[in-house]
Amino acid sequence: DGGITQSPKYLFRKEGQNVTLSCEQNLNHDAMYWYRQDPGQGLRLIYYSQIVNDFQKGDIAEGYSVSREKKESFPLTVTSAQKNPTAFYLCASSNRRTGGTYEQYFGPGTRLTVT
Amino acid sequence: AQSVAQPEDQVNVAEGNPLTVKCTYSVSGNPYLFWYVQYPNRGLQFLLKYITGDNLVKGSYGFEAEFNKSQTSFHLKKPSALVSDSALYFCAVSGGSSNTGKLIFGQGTTLQVKP
Repeated sequence: DGGITQSPKYLFRKEGQNVTLSCEQNLNHDAMYWYRQDPGQGLRLIYYSQIVNDFQKGDIAEGYSVSREKKESFPLTVTSAQKNPTAFYLCASSNRRTGGTYEQYFGPGTRLTVT
Repeated sequence: AQSVAQPEDQVNVAEGNPLTVKCTYSVSGNPYLFWYVQYPNRGLQFLLKYITGDNLVKGSYGFEAEFNKSQTSFHLKKPSALVSDSALYFCAVSGGSSNTGKLIFGQGTTLQVKP
């Protein structure tokens, strides 16, 4: 899991509450990413950031928000607008902002359960 | 649009036998191809990548992959499977003419190695 930490590992929330997932990296990577993993659906990109104070929507950004105030941190907020938030959330980082030649390194993940 | 297909949901092999996990891709332009492995309730671990050069790429834990441009494939292989190789494997692609650096993941293939 390298130098990327995600906390907490398990998170339980009631429906209608916002929740923030933490992601920190000490790899000095420019780019950071948030993915959602559901059984049988692989990984889907929620948001990504190629540089501090800038981020872009991925394929399934609705109901989520992010910030990138520091290079090492990229927190994800799951809002009450997300219709089906229960999932395994993975954060990743990579060495380059663009080009795509550098592999992404993943954190251990946070399993969010909303009831 | 970029896409990745892993045609097998599950691959079963006996320990000591060779294994192959299949991946095909669709990219306009030059692809950058990656393989990752995921153990239960963990993040993804990078195995290997193809950017350019030799079509046979060697990676971690004895895995290798062969890039075949004419067949648009990047199959993962290992000469002798171990029970500990049992996990979920993802193929991913980035690059192409509309290169944003984002990774597109396949649906994943579960590898089961039996003693």
